[in-house]
Amino acid sequence: DQQVKQNSPSLSVQEGRISILNCDYTNSMFDYFLWYKKYPAEGPTFLISISSIKDKNEDGRFTVFLNKSAKHLSLHIVPSQPGDSAVYFCAASAWSGNTGKLIFGQGTTLQVKP
Amino acid sequence: GAGVSQTPSNKVTEKGKYVELRCDPISGHTALYWYRQSLGQGPEFLIYFQGTGAADDSGLPNDRFFAVRPEGSVSTLKIQRTERGDSAVYLCASSKQGDEQYFGPGTRLTVT
Repeated sequence: DQQVKQNSPSLSVQEGRISILNCDYTNSMFDYFLWYKKYPAEGPTFLISISSIKDKNEDGRFTVFLNKSAKHLSLHIVPSQPGDSAVYFCAASAWSGNTGKLIFGQGTTLQVKP
Repeated sequence: GAGVSQTPSNKVTEKGKYVELRCDPISGHTALYWYRQSLGQGPEFLIYFQGTGAADDSGLPNDRFFAVRPEGSVSTLKIQRTERGDSAVYLCASSKQGDEQYFGPGTRLTVT
């Protein structure tokens, strides 16, 4: 039972263009969503988050959009840079359950070509 | 400042042996989490500590897995009678209550 799904295992974009990574979830109790970036042999690094009371959050080149009715979120990276090449994980939590444990998707490998 | 540290970085053990994995969280972080990541998958939740107590251990796969955090800082994940299926990267994360989680580099466990 995969509660958080990233259906695209990989994505390749040209430097300077937009990267769009997608994530779907099934549990309507999720109220906080995060994106993490992971390089090989390192732990995941927090990138950006969004609360369920918002539909957009922006931080520099990174914007996360949340569509609660569709149970879908996306991460936009503009402009994409070669250093953005990594595995990106979408994660969700339900703080109403007083735990904060994260449920992760399977990850999407982004390659940004120079 | 120092991030989350985990030791050892790599551990190879024989099937049936006992292992301990250690996590040093960021100073002042009251919440500590353990996750397990298998190849090609996202991290999978194991256990969550708030202070010294395990607030949520619903992710521990069976009673061979146990974790402690006796003084509310360092945590140890203990695996008894290891099996080949336990091979994975074990990740530790810490956070302030309600804040984003910061992950350590992980311990790669290989059970032969």
